Amino acid sequence: GNSVTQMEGPVTLSEEAFLTINCTYTATGYPSLFWYVQYPGEGLQLLLKATKADDKGSNKGFEATYRKETTSFHLEKGSVQVSDSAVYFCALIGQAGTALIFGKGTTLSVSS
Amino acid sequence: DAGVIQSPRHEVTEMGQEVTLRCKLISGHNSLFWYRQTMMRGLELLIYFNNNVPIDDSGMPEDRFSAKMPNASFSTLKIQPSEPRDSAVYFCASSLGTGDSNIQYFGAGTRLSVL
Repeated sequence: GNSVTQMEGPVTLSEEAFLTINCTYTATGYPSLFWYVQYPGEGLQLLLKATKADDKGSNKGFEATYRKETTSFHLEKGSVQVSDSAVYFCALIGQAGTALIFGKGTTLSVSS
Repeated sequence: DAGVIQSPRHEVTEMGQEVTLRCKLISGHNSLFWYRQTMMRGLELLIYFNNNVPIDDSGMPEDRFSAKMPNASFSTLKIQPSEPRDSAVYFCASSLGTGDSNIQYFGAGTRLSVL
């Protein structure tokens, strides 16, 4: 079945550091890929998405590129801020599916 | 526009009691999803509805769990009787439709503790 694997956290960075959170997936066909972010005490918010191979999703300085050949969708940001501290979830919707399938989440902690 | 609204935000109850979680969809949305988040299993889909009809309930743990959409804008998730292993954060999400191009918008969640 479809699944998503994220790097284990927590990830601890200093402000202005470069961020990478790895995400790989297993799915038949061509799933759509998503990154959601969960701030403390809040629900999940869509951060970015990509619906076909080689698409790049971007938002708020975050980027991720849909790599079909490596089945990956790594999240990157060039310079993190304290306000980026949150839990980040990689997710997919399968080609014939509807519901999101989530990775376990990666906690990011940024200190000043 | 108001987002997805869940109530209560926190619920503490004793084993054996009935628990009802509530969710109000974003106006105009016609798909509704219930997810459960635990440390051990992460985020899992419990059930989803399209146009008030349950489409996939394969994630509902057992008969103690039931979900309804009495109208197009409101849903309930009921646990009866509740057990300590039901302790989790329960999220609902709504979207304009189904399929991979339809973004799901999440509520803030209900944190359930069953003692």
